[in-house]
Amino acid sequence: RKEVEQDPGPFNVPEGATVAFNCTYSNSASQSFFWYRQDCRKEPKLLMSVYSSGNEDGRFTAQLNRASQYISLLIRDSKLSDSATYLCVVNAYSGAGSYQLTFGKGTKLSVIP
Amino acid sequence: GAVVSQHPSWVICKSGTSVKIECRSLDFQATTMFWYRQFPKQSLMLMATSNEGSKATYEQGVEKDKFLINHASLTLSTLTVTSAHPEDSSFYICSASPRGPQFEQFFGPGTRLTVL
Repeated sequence: RKEVEQDPGPFNVPEGATVAFNCTYSNSASQSFFWYRQDCRKEPKLLMSVYSSGNEDGRFTAQLNRASQYISLLIRDSKLSDSATYLCVVNAYSGAGSYQLTFGKGTKLSVIP
Repeated sequence: GAVVSQHPSWVICKSGTSVKIECRSLDFQATTMFWYRQFPKQSLMLMATSNEGSKATYEQGVEKDKFLINHASLTLSTLTVTSAHPEDSSFYICSASPRGPQFEQFFGPGTRLTVL
């Protein structure tokens, strides 16, 4: 089983649509969770951290369910500029004072005019 | 804040040469930096954890003698790809966090290496 699994995508949605991304992780000791976006041939950029209480940033809402080891990202009122690959990222303690980020393969979103 | 730079942004070299990539945290200090590699249409894969003042920790399958890491100061880590071969062609990205390795990471813009 992959450590971080995401919807395979791609998602092609019209402007204004609401789109949801799902992610599951296998390491129950994972401690922090993030959504990043990555544009083609660019580095990942932090979109938002994800908390158990859920958090919202404008059109973006992230949810975490530790019991189910499930993370979600909801984008409302999609814009053309939201087109990117969305990466689910999990951080876990890897021993000897070290931490390790594990990335999902990403889900590609294309917002269509 | 939390800006990470990388240099060079791209490099083309001949097979057998060595290439050094620099990663700098511009507005914070980082005792830990991370080096990743990303092949086309693949996810980022952690290569090694760079620790200031001590040896890097390499992931399984990553040759430490081929990928030399030096964390010379709290704002600079370097990755040297020694005797590069075409299969080493990839997108190399570093990251660091102003709050510590257990928190959100900020990524450098990446270095695209092409080995002919």
